[in-house]
Parts: sequence; C-alpha cells; structure tokens
Amino acid sequence: AQKVTQAQTEISVVEKEDVTLDCVYETRDTTYYLFWYKQPPSGELVFLIRRNSFDEQNEISGRYSWNFQKSTSSFNFTITASQVVDSAVYFCALSEAAAPSGAGSYQLTFGKGTKLSVIP
Amino acid sequence: DTEVTQTPKHLVMGMTNKKSLKCEQHMGHRAMYWYKQKAKKPPELMFVYSYEKLSINESVPSRFSPECPNSSLLNLHLHALQPEDSALYLCASSQDWSVYGYTFGSGTRLTVV
Repeated sequence: AQKVTQAQTEISVVEKEDVTLDCVYETRDTTYYLFWYKQPPSGELVFLIRRNSFDEQNEISGRYSWNFQKSTSSFNFTITASQVVDSAVYFCALSEAAAPSGAGSYQLTFGKGTKLSVIP
Repeated sequence: DTEVTQTPKHLVMGMTNKKSLKCEQHMGHRAMYWYKQKAKKPPELMFVYSYEKLSINESVPSRFSPECPNSSLLNLHLHALQPEDSALYLCASSQDWSVYGYTFGSGTRLTVV
C-alpha cells in the first residue's frame, strides 16, 4: 500500500524567510507520480507540480523549488523569500501508474498536509 | 476550457432533505472522482468513474449515491445525511498523464443540520 508522510503539521515563518516542506512516501511500485497541491483558505486545491519516478531532476519555478530524492523516498518543497500569499495548507500526494481503479483513472493518496503561516 | 466546475459552492441541508451536487468538465477527461475533505484533514477518495462506469466505491454509505450521466457530468445525490457528513466535497477529473495531472474543482462546502 502506498503512503505519504508530511511530518510537519504546522510551520510559521516571517515574511521573506525561506521554508522547506517535507514529504516522504512509500510505494512498492517502480513507476509512480508525486504531486504537490496548495489549498488556500478558500478551499480549492491548486496544482503546483507533478514529478514521475524516472525524473529525479530538481525543478525550480519562480520562488518554488522541489527536491526529489528516490534514495530517501523524499520529495521536498522549498519556498524562497516567502510571502503572506503563500499562507495555505500544502499537500503532497502520490499516485501509482498502474491504476487498479480502471483504465484511465488514478487514485491519489494524500499526506496529512502542512499548514504554512507566513507572518508579515 | 481547463476547469472542473462544481455547483453549488455552499449547501445547507437538513437530515431529511434530498439534494444533489453537480460537477462538470469539458476537457475530454474520461475519469471523474468524488473526494470528501473534513476540516484539517486531507481529501479522501469516495468514488471513481472511468468511462462513465463506477469503478471504485470506497465503502461509502448508501446515503451518498453517485451518478455519471455522460462523460462530462458527475453528480452526487445526497439523502438522509448526518451532521458528521458536513465537509468539503471535491470533484476531480483526469485523462492519462498530462503535465497538469488531476484537475480539481473548487468544491462544495456542505453543512448538514
């Protein structure tokens, strides 16, 4: 069974500080996909990134960067120079490619989420 | 159109009421999902439809009844709910592995009184 662990329940940082959100996953599959989603207080889940298990290249998008390390089963997310608008709950999620749930469908297993508060 | 649209955004219903949640997408996605999210918890999968057929029911009580009338629409019929069913109900769709992965709707916040 797949599992996603986000050990940090809540994090508070002062604006402009850098912050890293940790994500550790477990899966028996060799092919899988990892995601990060942002959920602001308004409730919608905002897609941030998808990474497949064969692509260990780190990625940077503006102030966001992701560090994928298969050796430690981790997919950590760093926000550089945090801003108040970054305050949200961030979820890491895992999906296995060989979905048992029917052709063309994929189940996401979410971590419990990390609530980030950026203080002005 | 790259959106999943959910209506209504908010719903308050009594325990004896019957109501429906609606989800619509026009991205040609052939898999659609219902997730339930309680406060301060991650989303939990309820149902999966693949090519308009129910392929997963995660042991959801029968007071929740999903329906997929066509490839663009997904409904969740609610009847005789309990106060503990109050939650954010999220719809999502997917088609293979596009770079954007799953697409979630903004959810329906349901309160059962």
